[in-house]
Amino acid sequence: QQPVQSPQAVILREGEDAVINCSSSKALYSVHWYRQKHGEAPVFLMILLKGGEQKGHEKISASFNEKKQQSSLYLTASQLSYSGTYFCGTLISSGSARQLTFGSGTQLTVLP
Amino acid sequence: NAGVTQTPKFQVLKTGQSMTLQCAQDMNHNSMYWYRQDPGMGLRLIYYSASEGTTDKGEVPNGYNVSRLNKREFSLRLESAAPSQTSVYFCASSEGYRGGNNQPQHFGDGTRLSIL
Repeated sequence: QQPVQSPQAVILREGEDAVINCSSSKALYSVHWYRQKHGEAPVFLMILLKGGEQKGHEKISASFNEKKQQSSLYLTASQLSYSGTYFCGTLISSGSARQLTFGSGTQLTVLP
Repeated sequence: NAGVTQTPKFQVLKTGQSMTLQCAQDMNHNSMYWYRQDPGMGLRLIYYSASEGTTDKGEVPNGYNVSRLNKREFSLRLESAAPSQTSVYFCASSEGYRGGNNQPQHFGDGTRLSIL
């Protein structure tokens, strides 16, 4: 089951904050976040394990709400370099052959 | 340190032709993956190899075959290309499968494939 990301797109001015959400209808084991710049490969940002653990990467942090099966990515004081498409990938709790299922992405544009 | 290397970077095929996409990683990773990326669809898993000698179907395996040649190399073959297979193909690798596949995946630069 593909996770649902929201919003689909967001436009910011440099220095503004943004939140990207990733929701699943299944019980989640973990959530992975990746960023992809146009024409490039996706790049790993962080992994969130169930338990509400919060992680950080530069001024980008994320949380995992196990009860809601939702993860949120927080971009603080955004920089031009944050522009790109952000994907969440989810691992569900059941089954041994777990593989990441990616959302359709959130396109973030940071303007000067 | 090259990471994950994919060849070719671009390819145009005619319907019905066959071709193999190559992928190699130099990080001594156990697990390797093939994804396709279409506009608005995110990344969809075609096949994966949890460890050398094993391969399994992902979400969209129809029309594809894979070979895990050795620990470093994982190839994807289109036997009879169709226009619906026009996409960007990414190969990825991760350290291992134990623990529920909870390691970062490292992606190659992709192969842009057009089928006419």
